[in-house]
Amino acid sequence: QLQLQESGPGLVKPSETLSLTCTVSGGSISSSSYYWGWIRQPPGKGLEWIGSIYYSGSTYYNPSLKSRVTISVDTSKNQFSLKLSSVTAADTAVYYCARRFARAAFDIWGQGTMVTVSS
Amino acid sequence: QSALTQPRSVSGSPGQSVTISCTGTSSDVGGYNYVSWYQQHPGKAPKLMIYDVSKRPSGVPDRFSGSKSGNTASLTISGLQAEDEADYYCCSYAGSYVVFGGGTKLTVL
Repeated sequence: QLQLQESGPGLVKPSETLSLTCTVSGGSISSSSYYWGWIRQPPGKGLEWIGSIYYSGSTYYNPSLKSRVTISVDTSKNQFSLKLSSVTAADTAVYYCARRFARAAFDIWGQGTMVTVSS
Repeated sequence: QSALTQPRSVSGSPGQSVTISCTGTSSDVGGYNYVSWYQQHPGKAPKLMIYDVSKRPSGVPDRFSGSKSGNTASLTISGLQAEDEADYYCCSYAGSYVVFGGGTKLTVL
């Protein structure tokens, strides 16, 4: 069955760029039926949608993060990636990648990866 | 955009029913029939329970149901069970983006 796995550094310094990759296994990221997204959850807080990407490269971002976010896709590696620039402590969170199969329905999630922003 | 509004907490006894509300605006919840609900147990990834307001993914018990009226969506859990104790989040399509609710902690007494 389809699985998603996040990977990347668990510690990032303030003002630097957070970079994460989501590897899709058990299925193709190039399916025309799905978008792929990033969602984060600060410790003890709720979920926040960061953005989504289609296999063709079309992207949609959270307006509040848009100036700092870039999501890209590599269909040859069956991966999509997140870059968040100029990070602060407020960006400390568990970052999830997920498959979006309907307008607001994320049906398959990665296990999540904790990223701490600290010097 | 602002997060959708959910009650911080709700509770119920085993066997009872509880309803969690999710209030947005005409630009999100009220404007589209694309509301989803997620269950999250501590330390785990969220699990999709309801999508498109009232549809259940395969494997989700029919004790979970969703509805919408105006700018407010609701998740109802009937026949409460101990394992339903978790955090619940609503989510709505809002045009070119997606917005989540702040989350509701369900306690099974």
